[in-house]
Amino acid sequence: SQQGEEDPQALSIQEGENATMNCSYKTSINNLQWYRQNSGRGLVHLILIRSNEREKHSGRLRVTLDTSKKSSSLLITASRAADTASYFCATVDTGRRALTFGSGTRLQVQP
Amino acid sequence: DTGVSQDPRHKITKRGQNVTFRCDPISEHNRLYWYRQTLGQGPEFLTYFQNEAQLEKSRLLSDRFSAERPKGSFSTLEIQRTEQGDSAMYLCASSLDSFTDSYEQYFGPGTRLTVT
Repeated sequence: SQQGEEDPQALSIQEGENATMNCSYKTSINNLQWYRQNSGRGLVHLILIRSNEREKHSGRLRVTLDTSKKSSSLLITASRAADTASYFCATVDTGRRALTFGSGTRLQVQP
Repeated sequence: DTGVSQDPRHKITKRGQNVTFRCDPISEHNRLYWYRQTLGQGPEFLTYFQNEAQLEKSRLLSDRFSAERPKGSFSTLEIQRTEQGDSAMYLCASSLDSFTDSYEQYFGPGTRLTVT
């Protein structure tokens, strides 16, 4: 079953703009991960944030986690056309190992 | 490191037939996962192995589905008596986890199953 909703479901921006995607989940988690999926490369891991962390950066990516609100956000700065893809958040529940994915945000970056 | 590989990449089968998919994980990874993804949705967990032991199965994994990971290396997923609702992308992933923590999973390209 899907963990929760991602917001927005679809996002279209111009190259150079920032893109923000939000994710909500329902359970107690060990960590939360973000993945990107496009037809050319399949699902690719982007970043992992543990339940005791609040913010993490990796290159142009910034992830925040609010366990009290059971929500996370992914910010992609200075977007590029190559960032066009679907982005999924996925949680690892406490005591489990499997990923529970959200429904995804489809990002379109216009050149 | 050649990544996670899956075979076949595409499979078309008639309803009622049996199909088997194979996944070869990254060689040093001890955990292997199977997921199913339908169009427009995120992947859904099916089952996972730690080495050769199958440790968790989703309720999605009906008795028509069986998975194995002999010797803790490659894994197979078999679907018996396929139904049109089984049409989906079947994804395999592997990870190297410690006993107390879990890390990122590396996904294969998937096997797209079409049941006619």
